[in-house]
Amino acid sequence: EIVLTQSPATLSLSPGETATLSCRASQMISDYFAWYQQKPGQAPRLLIYAASKRAPGIPARFSGSGSGTDFTLTIHSLEPEDFAVYYCQQRSSWPPLITFGGGTKVEVK
Amino acid sequence: QVHLVQSGAEVKKPGASVKVSCKASGYTFNNYGVSWLRQAPGQGLEWMGWINLYNGKTIYAQKFQGRLSLTANTSATTVFMELTSLISDDTAVYFCARDRMEYSGPNSFDPWGQGTQVIVSS
Repeated sequence: EIVLTQSPATLSLSPGETATLSCRASQMISDYFAWYQQKPGQAPRLLIYAASKRAPGIPARFSGSGSGTDFTLTIHSLEPEDFAVYYCQQRSSWPPLITFGGGTKVEVK
Repeated sequence: QVHLVQSGAEVKKPGASVKVSCKASGYTFNNYGVSWLRQAPGQGLEWMGWINLYNGKTIYAQKFQGRLSLTANTSATTVFMELTSLISDDTAVYFCARDRMEYSGPNSFDPWGQGTQVIVSS
């Protein structure tokens, strides 16, 4: 099973700053890689798919990059509504099994 | 608008089974697979399995093999998740989530249902 390790566990930032979230895979993975945002009491929301493509309706301040084993989610100029937990997710080629990282909480400094 | 609406909260005793429904609307039901995921209190997300609504085939995470059953009622555009032999560690919020792309297999998920709380307690 491919293990995804997210860092840091918590990121303390102020509105207007830039958040850089990391996700490292235990082995090379394909472009089946996504990022989600989750707020308390809500279902996750898809932000990024195929490592770098923004889902419909997601603001341009969210961007994804990376390949192989190292992936990054960058949130430019944090808005108050961006403070949440973020998860990375991958799908192995075959069988198509899904795993998630442990999450990074972006909190108000 | 695409919507997934799940059934309400459940309280079950250890050893029992739970069946949660996920009603889909706003898109061609058979063209997209649906996954089930769960989130234990204060924990991260865990993928449980996936059902292909075109042909009914399923893929289950190894952890849930033998205990998990994903089915669908196509005419009612509803997907069901049944988990048997419940233990306290199965206490979690359970989510259904649609494949982002049609005919793609489990890949990324959009949208998600609102979640169903399942509590397992004696």
